[in-house]
Amino acid sequence: DAGITQSPRHKVTETGTPVTLRCHQTENHRYMYWYRQDPGHGLRLIHYSYGVKDTDKGEVSDGYSVSRSKTEDFLLTLESATSSQTSVYFCAISESRAYNEQFFGPGTRLTVL
Amino acid sequence: AQTVTQSQPEMSVQEAETVTLSCTYDTSENNYYLFWYKQPPSRQMILVIRQEAYKQQNATENRFSVNFQKAAKSFSLKISDSQLGDTAMYFCAFSNYGGSQGNLIFGKGTKLSVKP
Repeated sequence: DAGITQSPRHKVTETGTPVTLRCHQTENHRYMYWYRQDPGHGLRLIHYSYGVKDTDKGEVSDGYSVSRSKTEDFLLTLESATSSQTSVYFCAISESRAYNEQFFGPGTRLTVL
Repeated sequence: AQTVTQSQPEMSVQEAETVTLSCTYDTSENNYYLFWYKQPPSRQMILVIRQEAYKQQNATENRFSVNFQKAAKSFSLKISDSQLGDTAMYFCAFSNYGGSQGNLIFGKGTKLSVKP
């Protein structure tokens, strides 16, 4: 199994509070992604990174920011959490953008009350 | 924009039987990859099988095989000799070759139940 961990695995927070989710990989893959999974929507891309300090927006990026200061870590921040951000968040990594076989972390279930 | 459609929200199959999950996609690109991911109740996303669009031969991984029809933009997954452990959500996903984002575009999933 690809070495990808996510922390925390579960979190309950209140509306308006900041939240940071962490993705850590030991595979030294260049590409990292954050997706959210909601019923009836499959997985949708929030942000992605194509290298240290190189990030870009995905389909559903509003209300989220990311940072990648090291190859192994990709952080997702909700600046001011809202109930619509209640979801399961997945991190994924990929060695090659061309081939783009992605390996996923275990997911983080976030509940915003 | 590329889209992926899974028209079967739920399916069920008897243990040891064969089931086929459907997936269609829309793209104007010629080079791309297609994937099937499995998500069991544990929530972990597991890659089941992948297909390169330039390959005419259908991919096979043990009991899992695909029927890739490029002209029809169809990519179905066949599970033979279904086992209870195959119970899961199955997602079809598309990836553009060298696309600007490189992300996977997912269908909404098919919930498969294998019954004893």
